[in-house]
Amino acid sequence: NAGVTQTPKFQVLKTGQSMTLQCAQDMNHEYMSWYRQDPGMGLRLIHYSVGAGITDQGEVPNGYNVSRSTTEDFPLRLLSAAPSQTSVYFCASSYTGNQPQHFGDGTRLSIL
Amino acid sequence: RKEVEQDPGPFNVPEGATVAFNCTYSNSASQSFFWYRQDCRKEPKLLMSVYSSGNEDGRFTAQLNRASQYISLLIRDSKLSDSATYLCVVNPGTGRRALTFGSGTRLQVQP
Repeated sequence: NAGVTQTPKFQVLKTGQSMTLQCAQDMNHEYMSWYRQDPGMGLRLIHYSVGAGITDQGEVPNGYNVSRSTTEDFPLRLLSAAPSQTSVYFCASSYTGNQPQHFGDGTRLSIL
Repeated sequence: RKEVEQDPGPFNVPEGATVAFNCTYSNSASQSFFWYRQDCRKEPKLLMSVYSSGNEDGRFTAQLNRASQYISLLIRDSKLSDSATYLCVVNPGTGRRALTFGSGTRLQVQP
């Protein structure tokens, strides 16, 4: 099993560009989430999904969109990149929101 | 007040030492508790779940105190490889369907 797969691993964008961070899991997990982690800080929840077709906002949703058309995939879209979105982004999944989550390797994103 | 609070450290301990971390949470309805480990620039990995009765996994012991709303992690016989950041994780419960992560406590085990 691949677990949780994130692509790309690194990305540099210019301010105003848009892009999609991909996340896929092969564990048939219903619950998926996106976090960002800034230097010296903890993980902050951006968006999460409790199943296909259902998404909800987390702590820091502004500037990001998500969709969940399948159980396996949960892409994160940056609509118009800003330097404040420079961060490491982690995708995670679990059977339910109460259970421990499995994390992807992360995407390191720099916005110039 | 933050939902989950941890002492950021760093805790600098010699090999073989016993070290303990505490974490407090604000929501008394919280249902699930975990400790994760995160190495520098890597993804967090589950270290252990925390159960009401307390639980042990080798050199690691986790305790939950619901009355005082804190959880603890005890590491015995510290190894160099234990150097990492330890994240306290709580599901706040009551309509929240997401885990909340503490900012982490950094441990540095020295030879």
